[in-house]
Amino acid sequence: DAMVIQNPRYQVTQFGKPVTLSCSQTLNHNVMYWYQQKSSQAPKLLFHYYDKDFNNEADTPDNFQSRRPNTSFCFLDIRSPGLGDAAMYLCATSRDLFLGQGSHEQYFGPGTRLTVT
Amino acid sequence: AQSVAQPEDQVNVAEGNPLTVKCTYSVSGNPYLFWYVQYPNRGLQFLLKYITGDNLVKGSYGFEAEFNKSQTSFHLKKPSALVSDSALYFCAVREQAGTALIFGKGTTLSVSS
Repeated sequence: DAMVIQNPRYQVTQFGKPVTLSCSQTLNHNVMYWYQQKSSQAPKLLFHYYDKDFNNEADTPDNFQSRRPNTSFCFLDIRSPGLGDAAMYLCATSRDLFLGQGSHEQYFGPGTRLTVT
Repeated sequence: AQSVAQPEDQVNVAEGNPLTVKCTYSVSGNPYLFWYVQYPNRGLQFLLKYITGDNLVKGSYGFEAEFNKSQTSFHLKKPSALVSDSALYFCAVREQAGTALIFGKGTTLSVSS
């Protein structure tokens, strides 16, 4: 009954080699988020999609891109991974975006742990 | 700027004892506060939230949290800890008009039998 699915769970890539992480959801939620969680640190929002509208956090590096081809799927593309990009990447969804609109609890996937060699 | 502080990296309690995991926040305007739990190799799970109303909020798995505006705190509590409560707990805050959840660095709860 998994609701937010992330593939792969573990990903190893080489320095500078593009990598794509995948997230899918069965909740039919409008909003999908990508967070980066480095070791012993709090999750940090990279960007989110509200339907097809993309919103980048101001301090998210240009190296990180995202695609959402349909409601169910969202991808995180890292164009040229550096050693500092090694982290757990968490995908999350919520039905709505703003607190006044109703259900805005975020449901998280299990994460993909990215290693850069 | 919004921020969340979880002053304890680790909290150790014996099974059956009450537990408290501390959280303080800084935000302009009214805060919207959340607690999430993360088990090993699992995603974050929503526990409870404070939006408005009663300062004592009840959530999943017997957890509750008390919102204290004067102390800018939102401590997580449970009257009787279980070994299965052992996990990583995150406090988070969100501004009313904003979209990003700002997380604390997390507190590892260890419950011994």
